Amino acid sequence: DAGITQSPRHKVTETGTPVTLRCHQTENHRYMYWYRQDPGHGLRLIHYSYGVKDTDKGEVSDGYSVSRSKTEDFLLTLESATSSQTSVYFCAISENRGGTDTQYFGPGTRLTVL
Amino acid sequence: AQKVTQAQTEISVVEKEDVTLDCVYETRDTTYYLFWYKQPPSGELVFLIRRNSFDEQNEISGRYSWNFQKSTSSFNFTITASQVVDSAVYFCALSEANAGGGATNKLIFGTGTLLAVQP
Repeated sequence: DAGITQSPRHKVTETGTPVTLRCHQTENHRYMYWYRQDPGHGLRLIHYSYGVKDTDKGEVSDGYSVSRSKTEDFLLTLESATSSQTSVYFCAISENRGGTDTQYFGPGTRLTVL
Repeated sequence: AQKVTQAQTEISVVEKEDVTLDCVYETRDTTYYLFWYKQPPSGELVFLIRRNSFDEQNEISGRYSWNFQKSTSSFNFTITASQVVDSAVYFCALSEANAGGGATNKLIFGTGTLLAVQP
């Protein structure tokens, strides 16, 4: 258990509304990630953070922004949600075990954009 | 470019059968890391194994075993004597090494294989 929680766990929203998903970790991990999971695509990296206020884009970052104002929280924001952003969103942390980094995932947030 | 291919979209077996999940990867790097994750019906992602490119030894953990072959760019996963609790989506993933030799931040996932184990 990597001590990761995500909130909300489920959300239904309307097209055009802003949405913020929260990832919270309790073990002071430096690296945090946001992925989305879609059928036929596996998981794809949206954004990641390598420290407070340090973030970078992943493979599918368009339409998403992130913020990390403190170590334990990594927020993912959809400024104006679209139906194509209906997905399951996973947060992950990176932990060094056995000499190299492995990513461990939170429970996921199911987002539906109508 | 990096790529992970899991050609088997769905596999259905009867309990106690052995089953192998295939994973083929592409990378130009000589140092890289391969991973398997399990996603049971409850939806969480569970880390199963990590393997670096310099360690081609096969690994066995209980009923699970992994066969890493650099010659064929494959990292296949075998479940022996499958059980209903093994029913899940299994993902293979690849990460290149960073300058320090560890795994980078960018995990490339395959599309997953849905394993259904019938009682």
